[in-house]
Amino acid sequence: DIQMTQSPSSLSASVGDRVSITCRASETINSHLNWYQQKPGKAPFLLIYAASTLQAGVPSRFSGSGAGTDFTLTITSLQPEDFATYFCQQSHSTPYTFGLGTKLEIK
Amino acid sequence: QVQLQQWGAGLVKPSETLSLSCDVSNESSTTVYWSWLRQPPGKGLEWIGEITHYGRSDSHPSLHGRVTLSMDTSRKVFSLRLASVTAADTGVYYCARGAVMRTAPYVGGRKIYYVAMDVWGQGTTVIVSS
Repeated sequence: DIQMTQSPSSLSASVGDRVSITCRASETINSHLNWYQQKPGKAPFLLIYAASTLQAGVPSRFSGSGAGTDFTLTITSLQPEDFATYFCQQSHSTPYTFGLGTKLEIK
Repeated sequence: QVQLQQWGAGLVKPSETLSLSCDVSNESSTTVYWSWLRQPPGKGLEWIGEITHYGRSDSHPSLHGRVTLSMDTSRKVFSLRLASVTAADTGVYYCARGAVMRTAPYVGGRKIYYVAMDVWGQGTTVIVSS
């Protein structure tokens, strides 16, 4: 299985801050990398697919970059509704695997 | 837009079979992967498996053949059965649509498919306990 290592596991930030979350795959996955946001008690929500393409309706303060094994999710100008847990997922090959998540908390 | 409504038993006894289903609304594409995922309490997400419109399925090897996926295209329902459950199978189970979000050209006239879970069910909490 492809292992996805996500960091940091938690992050404290303030409204208006810029934050980045990284995800590393144990082998190359080209650009088959998706990012999801999950709020407590809710299903995950797709933010970014194919490493850098914003899902329809997702605010432009979210962006993704990377290819191969190293990927980054960046959120500029954090808004109150952005405080949630974020997961990366590789869709290069089954079994699809996820990072352990990054919990973004208000400082 | 596509909606998924899942249902099934929330309490399953050890060694018995977990059974969940997911109703699909407003889906017309046949190029989708109907997927199941789960999330143990306080943990990350685990992909369980997927089934296509045409009935081809794939599941996580770690589940050692305990998974049965099925698709009823006439009723627009896809289902998960997980046999011989233990406490380790406790968690929130989600159905999701694996959609081809983008394609790119590849050698030999083939295509690369970029798949992501873009629509999710509401989640079902399943507890394995006697």
